[in-house]
Amino acid sequence: SQKIEQNSEALNIQEGKTATLTCNYTNYSPAYLQWYRQDPGRGPVFLLLIRENEKEKRKERLKVTFDTTLKQSLFHITASQPADSATYLCAPNAGNNRKLIWGLGTSLGVNP
Amino acid sequence: EPEVTQTPSHQVTQMGQEVILRCVPISNHLYFYWYRQILGQKVEFLVSFYNNEISEKSEIFDDQFSVERPDGSNFTLKIRSTKLEDSAMYFCASSEARRLGGSFFGQGTRLTVV
Repeated sequence: SQKIEQNSEALNIQEGKTATLTCNYTNYSPAYLQWYRQDPGRGPVFLLLIRENEKEKRKERLKVTFDTTLKQSLFHITASQPADSATYLCAPNAGNNRKLIWGLGTSLGVNP
Repeated sequence: EPEVTQTPSHQVTQMGQEVILRCVPISNHLYFYWYRQILGQKVEFLVSFYNNEISEKSEIFDDQFSVERPDGSNFTLKIRSTKLEDSAMYFCASSEARRLGGSFFGQGTRLTVV
């Protein structure tokens, strides 16, 4: 079955450093993949979408890569700030439709 | 900035009772979704709705669940006979139809079945 794996351990980094989060998927080939941010008790907030034919996408301090050979997406936050502390969710679509399959998320803590 | 709004923010109900969760999607969006998230677990897709009909549903979305767009603005999720395991945060989301983009989520309804 379709499976999404993200770093299960929390990532703690120093302010100003680059955070890199990993998302691996198995048993299928999504047409696109989305990254969301979720704060405790709140709904996910959309950050970036990358299609299967795109290697990299950027938005301000965020960068996402999509390697369909490795079946992996990397999510980078450069010049991290304490306000970036949250859980980041990877959500590839389920094949040829808009249904998203979600990872458990990686908790990021940025220390001042 | 436009947002998806959900009501109520918290609903407590007795097992076996019917509940209706309400959502107002962003006005020019045409795709609507319901997701749920059990505490500490993954977000799970329940159903997507487009052009006044269900376009996709998950195995979770069985006969106890139904969705409706009763008018031009509201989108509802009904659970006919709630079970303890239905306790979760339920999120409504919407997205544009013409252009592929991310979904905008509401703040969720925390459903507690006792």
